[in-house]
Amino acid sequence: NAGVTQTPKFQVLKTGQSMTLQCAQDMNHNSMYWYRQDPGMGLRLIYYSASEGTTDKGEVPNGYNVSRLNKREFSLRLESAAPSQTSVYFCASSEGGGGLYNEQFFGPGTRLTVL
Amino acid sequence: AQSVTQLGSHVSVSEGALVLLRCNYSSSVPPYLFWYVQYPNQGLQLLLKYTSAATLVKGINGFEAEFKKSETSFHLTKPSAHMSDAAEYFCAVSASNQAGTALIFGKGTTLSVSS
Repeated sequence: NAGVTQTPKFQVLKTGQSMTLQCAQDMNHNSMYWYRQDPGMGLRLIYYSASEGTTDKGEVPNGYNVSRLNKREFSLRLESAAPSQTSVYFCASSEGGGGLYNEQFFGPGTRLTVL
Repeated sequence: AQSVTQLGSHVSVSEGALVLLRCNYSSSVPPYLFWYVQYPNQGLQLLLKYTSAATLVKGINGFEAEFKKSETSFHLTKPSAHMSDAAEYFCAVSASNQAGTALIFGKGTTLSVSS
């Protein structure tokens, strides 16, 4: 049982390049999330998917797109990377179903640098 | 709208001393509150959660937190710090809208433990 996995672990991009961050979970969770973590800012929600086939914007969605490919996988795409998107990106999942008490399980993160 | 505020971005204690990390919340509905821990270069791990069953919540690694509605607080404590407790700690509140449920995180508190 791997939990939440993310690829790649590290990535360096040049401004304007595109890339997709991959996330998969094997816990049969309904909900999945993408966060970014910046020093002194905590974690900020980029996008989330309450269930397969649905996605919704979080606090900081500009410059990103997401795809909920199936119940297991939730990808985050940067179409034209900017230095302001240098960050650590975390994917998370939870049982969902509207449960406010459901904990989220986090992946190990992707460290992205945009030059 | 729900939010959390963590007081003190950095807390330093000696090994064996009391650990107290402060979190205040703002919520228009009964809150569901969480504490997560992040060790260096890792993802977040749940320490404990408050779901209204009991005001004193015990978590992993000897941590506990007390929900105080009158003070809108959910402070994290541990009687005796250990070197392995050095990490970043995040308080979070669960928030929901029509699209689903997500966590709103505080900005984090870094705990340093000296020998």
